[in-house]
Amino acid sequence: EVQLLESGGGLVQPGGSLRLSCAASGFIFNNYAMSWVRQAPGKGLEWVSAISYTGGSTYFADSVKGRFTISRDNSKNTLYLHMNSLRAEDTAVYYCAKVGSWSIAVAGIDYWGQGTLLTVSS
Amino acid sequence: QLVLTQSPSASASLGASVKLTCTLSSGHSNYAIAWHQQQPEKGPRFLMNLNIDGSHTMGDGIPDRFSGSSSGAERYLTISSLQSEDEADYYCQTWGTGVRVFGGGTKVTVL
Repeated sequence: EVQLLESGGGLVQPGGSLRLSCAASGFIFNNYAMSWVRQAPGKGLEWVSAISYTGGSTYFADSVKGRFTISRDNSKNTLYLHMNSLRAEDTAVYYCAKVGSWSIAVAGIDYWGQGTLLTVSS
Repeated sequence: QLVLTQSPSASASLGASVKLTCTLSSGHSNYAIAWHQQQPEKGPRFLMNLNIDGSHTMGDGIPDRFSGSSSGAERYLTISSLQSEDEADYYCQTWGTGVRVFGGGTKVTVL
């Protein structure tokens, strides 16, 4: 059974930093691209970032480019999202998601985590 | 720029059927999509991948009350024999080189 378990959310002041983690199990982690998707309160889904199966290619939404980085540790089956210069508009539930292929260009999301809440507020 | 358009809301009676539409923007009618369901206060759940020819691959444990079809730039999700637990938001998603897009979602109300 595929499981994606996010952690690391919390309350952060504007301008602060935080790292989210996603522990994956139930599939061969290093065979698949992974993504982060967020959902602001009362809003729809917004794709944030993605990483190829090796970690060699990374992608970011314009709204987070230059502030967020994504990485993965295939030896630990774990995905990360490093967030800097956080803003109030980054407040959202952040979902870890498995992509159905090695590349995000050839497949969509086929599994989701339960999400972790980030609140950016003073 | 690829945009996915969904109606904000839809409703149908318990036991009836409802058909949701996801429309690909002009010039992008050859994209496959995925449908995802998000029940209230829960994370999203993958329902299916839907190809341009209407063939679809279901997610794990998804009941066969859910089906997909395609026509031109439109991708459909049909829910038959509506149950109370089908009351949820439904999102379409597509992908490609440089493309990572979600539709705005359709809220389905079961009457």
